[in-house]
Amino acid sequence: NAGVTQTPKFQVLKTGQSMTLQCAQDMNHNSMYWYRQDPGMGLRLIYYSASEGTTDKGEVPNGYNVSRLNKREFSLRLESAAPSQTSVYFCASSEGAWEAFFGQGTRLTVV
Amino acid sequence: AQTVTQSQPEMSVQEAETVTLSCTYDTSENNYYLFWYKQPPSRQMILVIRQEAYKQQNATENRFSVNFQKAAKSFSLKISDSQLGDTAMYFCAFMKHVDDMRFGAGTRLTVKP
Repeated sequence: NAGVTQTPKFQVLKTGQSMTLQCAQDMNHNSMYWYRQDPGMGLRLIYYSASEGTTDKGEVPNGYNVSRLNKREFSLRLESAAPSQTSVYFCASSEGAWEAFFGQGTRLTVV
Repeated sequence: AQTVTQSQPEMSVQEAETVTLSCTYDTSENNYYLFWYKQPPSRQMILVIRQEAYKQQNATENRFSVNFQKAAKSFSLKISDSQLGDTAMYFCAFMKHVDDMRFGAGTRLTVKP
């Protein structure tokens, strides 16, 4: 039982490059989330998806786009990476207001 | 928008002692959910305990318990008989409804032998 799988685990980008972070869950959850974690700031919500076909902005959506490809997959895209987007990114999924399950995180560095 | 505040960036406790981590939140909602998550050095997020706002009884999970004060918008976590494996970042989280979960900045807990 894989749970929530994120790829890649590490990535270095140059300023202005684009990339997509992939996330897939095998628990048949309706809700999926993308967070970024920065020192001293906890986890901040970038985007979330309450169900297949719907997405909503969180606290810090600027510079990001998302796609809920199907019930299993929720991707996060950086169109033009900036050094301020250097962070650890977490994908999570949940069913209703029950426990959220998190991926292992992606450490992204933008130089 | 609701906010979650953890006022203790770092705390330490001796092994076998008890420690309490603080969390306050701001919301105008009456029904919501509160969580404590633990993040050890492995970076994996692990649910510690969950509380439903409409339940007055405080949630407990083995050595972990909460003090939920709805009127004061306070949700503290008590860890009893602290163990070395409890060393981790602890995050308080608020969920207004099933879509949007927000976290506090975290408290780094160190359990000393």
